[in-house]
Amino acid sequence: GEDVEQSLFLSVREGDSSVINCTYTDSSSTYLYWYKQEPGAGLQLLTYIFSNMDMKQDQRLTVLLNKKDKHLSLRIADTQTGDSAIYFCAESHRSGGYNKLIFGAGTRLAVHP
Amino acid sequence: DADVTQTPRNRITKTGKRIMLECSQTKGHDRMYWYRQDPGLGLRLIYYSFDVKDINKGEISDGYSVSRQAQAKFSLSLESAIPNQTALYFCATSDWSSEATDTQYFGPGTRLTVL
Repeated sequence: GEDVEQSLFLSVREGDSSVINCTYTDSSSTYLYWYKQEPGAGLQLLTYIFSNMDMKQDQRLTVLLNKKDKHLSLRIADTQTGDSAIYFCAESHRSGGYNKLIFGAGTRLAVHP
Repeated sequence: DADVTQTPRNRITKTGKRIMLECSQTKGHDRMYWYRQDPGLGLRLIYYSFDVKDINKGEISDGYSVSRQAQAKFSLSLESAIPNQTALYFCATSDWSSEATDTQYFGPGTRLTVL
C-alpha cells in the first residue's frame, strides 16, 4: 500500500538545525518531495530528490534518502523564525498515466528565540 | 500576481446547499488538480484533469464534481454539501514537461465550513 508518515510537531531554537523525518512504504517511488506550507498559504515546493540519489543539498536545506529503510529527512541549517511552517513529505507513485502524489500529514515546525 | 488563484478564500454554508469553488491559473499548465486537507491528515486528491477533455477521479471523489471550463479554469462543486466536507481545499497545476518530477504548484486554498 501507499503510506507516508511523519511526526506532527517539532520545536527548535533559532540558529539550531532542524531535522524533519519521514517514512514511506512504496519502494517504487521515483521522486520524493518536501513542501512547505506557511499560515494562510498554499503548499510551496521546497525541494525534491530522485530515488537513485541519497543526498541533495540546496543552500540551507539538505535532503537525505535511505532507500533501504524507506526513510527521508529534511535538514534545515541555521533555522530562522521565517522557517516556522508545516512541512509535508510526499512520494510519487505512478498511477493512471501520471505521477500521483501521496502526502504525509505534515510536521509543524516551531522556531523559538 | 499569484499564478494560481482560488475563489472564494473562505466560505461558510449550510448542509444541503450547492457550492462551487473556482480555480484559475496563469501558468499555462495543462494539468490541474483539486485536493482537500483535513487537520492531522495530508492532502488527498479529489479530481484531476490532464486537459479540457480529460477529467479523472481521485481517491475521494464521492460527493464532488468538477468542470474544466478552459485550460486555465478548473472548478469544484459540492452538489449537496454535508458537514464532513468541511476542510481546506487546494487547487494545483503542473505541466507535462515536468512530468518526470511532477512539480505541482498550489493555490492559496479555500477554507470551507459546512454547518
